[in-house]
Amino acid sequence: GENVEQHPSTLSVQEGDSAVIKCTYSDSASNYFPWYKQELGKGPQLIIDIRSNVGEKKDQRIAVTLNKTAKHFSLHITETQPEDSAVYFCAAAPGANNLFFGTGTRLTVIP
Amino acid sequence: SQTIHQWPATLVQPVGSPLSLECTVEGTSNPNLYWYRQAAGRGLQLLFYSVGIGQISSEVPQNLSASRPQDRQFILSSKKLLLSDSGFYLCAWRGPHYTFGSGTRLTVV
Repeated sequence: GENVEQHPSTLSVQEGDSAVIKCTYSDSASNYFPWYKQELGKGPQLIIDIRSNVGEKKDQRIAVTLNKTAKHFSLHITETQPEDSAVYFCAAAPGANNLFFGTGTRLTVIP
Repeated sequence: SQTIHQWPATLVQPVGSPLSLECTVEGTSNPNLYWYRQAAGRGLQLLFYSVGIGQISSEVPQNLSASRPQDRQFILSSKKLLLSDSGFYLCAWRGPHYTFGSGTRLTVV
């Protein structure tokens, strides 16, 4: 089955700096890669996603890049703000009913 | 618009007691529904998914079961809880993307 690895597990940045979280996947059949933000005690919320026919996608301060050849994708957050502090999960979907998650990155933005 | 409801938000149950967590979806028909579990400091693990009434697929062997008695209702159950069943349980439905409920934190004592 699919195996998604996510790094780093924790990340601290100064407010205004950029944050980058990286994930790798193992199944070349994966074609959908969402990123979720989870705040304490809440369910994950989709923040951005990318499909395998696209190499990069951007939404304001958030961007995701995908390298299918290397089987890795990354989340980039620019101009970080304290409210960006949360746990971020990457995921990969090799099929219609399979969504495999990374182990999460706890991002702390220091004011 | 589509919404997903999950309850209860928190639950403390003794070992050996039964469990029933409920999830309902509004604003859509025949959704694909999912139960995930999140252990402390870990990622989400898919437990069950359902593509229709009475159709349940299990991803991992475990002490839990799932049922889908109605189109927009998905239930997670156990006859006898184990300490290892503690965790954060999330229901999700798949539309344009996966949308998660607010979760149930289960503590088995």
